[in-house]
Amino acid sequence: DTEVTQTPKHLVMGMTNKKSLKCEQHMGHRAMYWYKQKAKKPPELMFVYSYEKLSINESVPSRFSPECPNSSLLNLHLHALQPEDSALYLCASSQDGRETQYFGPGTRLLVL
Amino acid sequence: GENVEQHPSTLSVQEGDSAVIKCTYSDSASNYFPWYKQELGKRPQLIIDIRSNVGEKKDQRIAVTLNKTAKHFSLHITETQPEDSAVYFCAAPRSGFQKLVFGTGTRLLVSP
Repeated sequence: DTEVTQTPKHLVMGMTNKKSLKCEQHMGHRAMYWYKQKAKKPPELMFVYSYEKLSINESVPSRFSPECPNSSLLNLHLHALQPEDSALYLCASSQDGRETQYFGPGTRLLVL
Repeated sequence: GENVEQHPSTLSVQEGDSAVIKCTYSDSASNYFPWYKQELGKRPQLIIDIRSNVGEKKDQRIAVTLNKTAKHFSLHITETQPEDSAVYFCAAPRSGFQKLVFGTGTRLLVSP
């Protein structure tokens, strides 16, 4: 299996909702990433997990909370989001944080 | 920190022509340079990458060249086809290579 999968594909949520994005890979990769991508912009790094430990937090607001339950799974918990948080949220993984990153298909999030 | 500049922002070519996209990086310690292709509504997909111990790498119609002295690397697409139309992102590593810094992207349009 050489893919990174993400669920859901689309998500619409109100500003008071709590939701979670999920990411899974079965390539044995030990680094996993969350990116945010706005239209016509490059992916913007949010978090990096290396060997299931949070190694980089790019000063992301606390309404985004990452979780890495095991080496194959990565979650992003969302709470009290703002309309400007609407974007494509991409998950990626790499062998050990120093190699090629492979992206999932993303979750397109709309905050109303 | 690493800064990656990418030019041009848009590129229109006729089918069969060549296309060249150039990126400049700032961190002389960077040693890995991937290129991603992102079609509308889809995930960024790695199309080619190069490490700093080589100056050029080719894969069919795609090639990447690296000039370490000048700190720039370029993507070359020959015999372009309409399906090459997409946004292309270059990237370079930062922070112990756990973080990729992306260029601003080049929108390539190949007209039949």
